[in-house]
Amino acid sequence: GAGVSQSPSNKVTEKGKDVELRCDPISGHTALYWYRQSLGQGLEFLIYFQGNSAPDKSGLPSDRFSAERTGGSVSTLTIQRTQQEDSAVYLCASSSSGTGLTTDTQYFGPGTRLTVL
Amino acid sequence: RKEVEQDPGPFNVPEGATVAFNCTYSNSASQSFFWYRQDCRKEPKLLMSVYSSGNEDGRFTAQLNRASQYISLLIRDSKLSDSATYLCVVWRRAAGNKLTFGGGTRVLVKP
Repeated sequence: GAGVSQSPSNKVTEKGKDVELRCDPISGHTALYWYRQSLGQGLEFLIYFQGNSAPDKSGLPSDRFSAERTGGSVSTLTIQRTQQEDSAVYLCASSSSGTGLTTDTQYFGPGTRLTVL
Repeated sequence: RKEVEQDPGPFNVPEGATVAFNCTYSNSASQSFFWYRQDCRKEPKLLMSVYSSGNEDGRFTAQLNRASQYISLLIRDSKLSDSATYLCVVWRRAAGNKLTFGGGTRVLVKP
């Protein structure tokens, strides 16, 4: 069965440009998460969706970051006016229910490596 | 202080040896605990959930000590393929539905 997919796998952009990152979760998973991992750093939570709603946006680092999810499936993370400090690997994960219990495994996609020049 | 702390390593382990390492968490309300494995330039993958009574999955044993607020991972009979970064992960309801990751412990298994 298909896992979580993300596109593009790599994105190089110039400072000040906008970028869109896409995540396709596992079919039927209601919960979707965005994280980012900077070089040598741990994973940092960005935003969580339950269905199409985002009850927890606490991790978005600035108002340049936004995300949406449509049809309870695909999600897009948008970064406006990119800065060099936005360079990181952006990881998407999905889980079946979003309960956080030990049975609610989060499955990660391969990530999008974003480089801002 | 970070909510989840790990020794970054690396732990250099001879093939066939046993290695163990811990992770500490600061919030006593943490409810679920996991070990994820991350290979270089790859996404994290669930290795095992950690249950209150401790649990074993093949060569891997995880323990939870709520009183001292740490979890441990032990790898027996290490294989070269066990070389990876092991991420300690906790979840608590009050923090929303996000997982909080430690910085990872790097393990290098050598022939």
